[in-house]
Amino acid sequence: QKEVEQDPGPLSVPEGAIVSLNCTYSNSAFQYFMWYRQYSRKGPELLMYTYSSGNKEDGRFTAQVDKSSKYISLFIRDSQPSDSATYLCAMREDNAGNNRKLIWGLGTSLAVNP
Amino acid sequence: DVKVTQSSRYLVKRTGEKVFLECVQDMDHENMFWYRQDPGLGLRLIYFSYDVKMKEKGDIPEGYSVSREKKERFSLILESASTNQTSMYLCASSFFLGRGTTAGITGELFFGEGSRLTVL
Repeated sequence: QKEVEQDPGPLSVPEGAIVSLNCTYSNSAFQYFMWYRQYSRKGPELLMYTYSSGNKEDGRFTAQVDKSSKYISLFIRDSQPSDSATYLCAMREDNAGNNRKLIWGLGTSLAVNP
Repeated sequence: DVKVTQSSRYLVKRTGEKVFLECVQDMDHENMFWYRQDPGLGLRLIYFSYDVKMKEKGDIPEGYSVSREKKERFSLILESASTNQTSMYLCASSFFLGRGTTAGITGELFFGEGSRLTVL
C-alpha cells in the first residue's frame, strides 16, 4: 500500500461547480499537509498548507484535514476555467529529514469547462 | 519573487549520451532537489542536497549523479542516457525546515518550470 493515495482523475466539472479533491494516507505521524497546483508544462506551486487537523480557508479554497480518518480534502468553490490544473497533495512528519521525506500523491487532473 | 531556473525546457538526446541538467535558485535556499515526474508514477525524488557539496540519494538515484559546487546551483547528470530516462525533470529548492520564515516553517518547495528530456 502506498503511503499516500490520490485518485488521478481526470475530473471534469462545469464552471461554478464545487470541486472536492481528496487524499488518503497511512502514516499517522504525518503532521504537515500541503496542496500544490501544477499548470500544464509548469512546475508545481504551493496552494494551501495545514498543520495537524482542522480547516483552512483562502478565498475560494478550503483545505481540510481529518487525522482520525487519515483523509485530507481540498474544496474549490465557484470553480473557474483558470482552476484547470493538476492538484497534488503532499505531506510529511514533524521531523522529515529536512524536507527529504516529503511524500507526494500522484495528483488529480481537473478541467473546469466554461 | 522566488525564482528557480532550469537551463533547458526541452532536450532530445541519444542513448549513451551524457546529459547535464542545470538548476539555479536566487532565494538563498539551503535545500535543493531533483525530481522526475512520470504519468501514473507521480513525483519521485532522485537526489537531495542540503548544502554545498552535500548530497543524499533519493528514491530513484540509479543512473543519475548530482553536483552542487555553489549554494545557488544544483546540477543533475545522466552519465549514459537510456530510453527509460525519458521524463519531465523538475528542480526545486527550499529553506531548511524550521528556519524562521513562513516558508521555512511550512517547508514550501519552489519549483522550476521543468526540463522535458527525450532519449532516443
